[in-house]
Amino acid sequence: EAQVTQNPRYLITVTGKKLTVTCSQNMNHEYMSWYRQDPGLGLRQIYYSMNVEVTDKGDVPEGYKVSRKEKRNFPLILESPSPNQTSLYFCASSSVLEGEKLFFGSGTQLSVL
Amino acid sequence: GQQVMQIPQYQHVQEGEDFTTYCNSSTTLSNIQWYKQRPGGHPVFLIQLVKSGEVKKQKRLTFQFGEAKKNSSLHITATQTTDVGTYFCAGAMNYGGATNKLIFGTGTLLAVQP
Repeated sequence: EAQVTQNPRYLITVTGKKLTVTCSQNMNHEYMSWYRQDPGLGLRQIYYSMNVEVTDKGDVPEGYKVSRKEKRNFPLILESPSPNQTSLYFCASSSVLEGEKLFFGSGTQLSVL
Repeated sequence: GQQVMQIPQYQHVQEGEDFTTYCNSSTTLSNIQWYKQRPGGHPVFLIQLVKSGEVKKQKRLTFQFGEAKKNSSLHITATQTTDVGTYFCAGAMNYGGATNKLIFGTGTLLAVQP
């Protein structure tokens, strides 16, 4: 089954404790992206990747890191989480061959205390 | 920066009533996509509109793309409780590269009372 898999689904952590949210897709999509969703603000792009070893900042990249060492994986790293990074995070992938429509993962609800 | 404004932010209807959400972009779009997010779920692609003035239908849902390719609407006829969720538009903007950048609207949360 074609899907984008995110883990974990829920995460509670404390300020400053490094964490990684994993994302994997099995559709051979070249494009992957991370979004955060906050009430009243919709979906805002954090980072995106056009292909392996090619990443770029989105609209709200501060406090986040990403890597794209393999085509299928695109982890989101928070080196020193802060409470303002408490949010619902979505990973998504797409392909030009499929009209650039985004396939989203199930989301990760992160709480930073 | 470029924005895609979406209204209303929230709409509460009685089952059977119609519903419309609107998107407006400050710049011309390459295409516009619509997504639906059920409560507790993730956004799911509904449709993409590419041509100026395009109208597409999916059962009770009608999608329109404006002539100037700066605005779009989603209209649901005779809402059902299964229509509950947040509807997002996403405008695709081309900055001269091979791919477009998608800018999401803030979404419209639809509540349907039985």
